[in-house]
Amino acid sequence: GAVVSQHPSWVICKSGTSVKIECRSLDFQATTMFWYRQFPKQSLMLMATSNEGSKATYEQGVEKDKFLINHASLTLSTLTVTSAHPEDSSFYICSARVQGTYEQYFGPGTRLTVT
Amino acid sequence: KNEVEQSPQNLTAQEGEFITINCSYSVGISALHWLQQHPGGGIVSLFMLSSGKKKHGRLIATINIQEKHSSLHITASHPRDSAVYICAVTGGSNYKLTFGKGTLLTVNP
Repeated sequence: GAVVSQHPSWVICKSGTSVKIECRSLDFQATTMFWYRQFPKQSLMLMATSNEGSKATYEQGVEKDKFLINHASLTLSTLTVTSAHPEDSSFYICSARVQGTYEQYFGPGTRLTVT
Repeated sequence: KNEVEQSPQNLTAQEGEFITINCSYSVGISALHWLQQHPGGGIVSLFMLSSGKKKHGRLIATINIQEKHSSLHITASHPRDSAVYICAVTGGSNYKLTFGKGTLLTVNP
């Protein structure tokens, strides 16, 4: 099956700093990537839809200036959590849609802890 | 908006048992996904279906488009199958997924 990687797999940062998370589709082109966050024992919550070469579409209630998304190529999207606070601590997961299909594959997730 | 219902919410089985998890949705879709998440782990895509049946190893997924229903079956269940199984559907041009709440499966040795 298709592979999506995320980097880093976990990160600890101090409050006020910024953290960048990468999502890569390794063996396919992904016009669309999705960013989710997940709190313990809860469902995935869609944060934004990232389309290659255009601005991301954010879900209601998600601050676009805080969660910066860049989708510069068909295989890479990045999520930057700016001025992180402890309440931003969460599991961040991306998925990538195979170009021209409804197939989506998920990355392994990035666990962010803000101290 | 599509509503996705999964049942059961929790399922405990003995090793070797045949497992069935059900998923119903309210609005026509283009594709249905079955996903797996182990405790503390990432999401793994098991199947994507738009019609019929798919099989991979001990896992079988079926979908009935007319009845808006899908099932995930696990044959000869094993403790390593213990995980949350999530049904998700997509139907719009934005390709967004609507998720069910998941089924927590525990397989005891």
